[in-house]
Amino acid sequence: DAKTTQPPSMDCAEGRAANLPCNHSTISGNEYVYWYRQIHSQGPQYIIHGLKNNETNEMASLIITEDRKSSTLILPHATLRDTAVYYCIVKAASNTGKLIFGQGTTLQVKP
Amino acid sequence: DTAVSQTPKYLVTQMGNDKSIKCEQNLGHDTMYWYKQDSKKFLKIMFSYNNKELIINETVPNRFSPKSPDKAHLNLHINSLELGDSAVYFCASSQDEASGGISTDTQYFGPGTRLTVL
Repeated sequence: DAKTTQPPSMDCAEGRAANLPCNHSTISGNEYVYWYRQIHSQGPQYIIHGLKNNETNEMASLIITEDRKSSTLILPHATLRDTAVYYCIVKAASNTGKLIFGQGTTLQVKP
Repeated sequence: DTAVSQTPKYLVTQMGNDKSIKCEQNLGHDTMYWYKQDSKKFLKIMFSYNNKELIINETVPNRFSPKSPDKAHLNLHINSLELGDSAVYFCASSQDEASGGISTDTQYFGPGTRLTVL
């Protein structure tokens, strides 16, 4: 599975958009980009995933560059409850289901 | 109506003891997992079961033995507990969703069990 690189930490003002970048320059053609987050003392929570097209759901939007070497998770209107560690994971399309978590980005949403 | 539940939430025990952590999912998923998150917050997969069959074993010491009595349950039994086993253990489940013939399973995690070995 491809490795990902994320900034260790970011700040965002409450109510503003939070844009979390992720580099995955060695991604393969059949690998998906997943985003999970972990709020303090809770289990990781699935946010969104995509292959090559941009995706949007009720939580966030995922923008994947045309060459698929990087992506951005967008939280359109960050709230204090969005403070968490955000993990960008590239996962092979297989049936093993193994998620490889890196260090992630600690997003601090400030009032 | 919790999707993935774990018991107990906290477990404090002495070195050398044997303990179990239970996990249940009511999502009807085929695959269940155990992850370990150590004190440095690294989250790492330990085991994966699909339809009660072991499919991932990430070189975990054989003191750790997962047991899956049915698709909805994956329990983790740990023998001869050591100080280094102190961590938060997360159970997860997923259901393969074929999209254009490619598996894109999304994993749902439980709340975690904080194990402290004294």
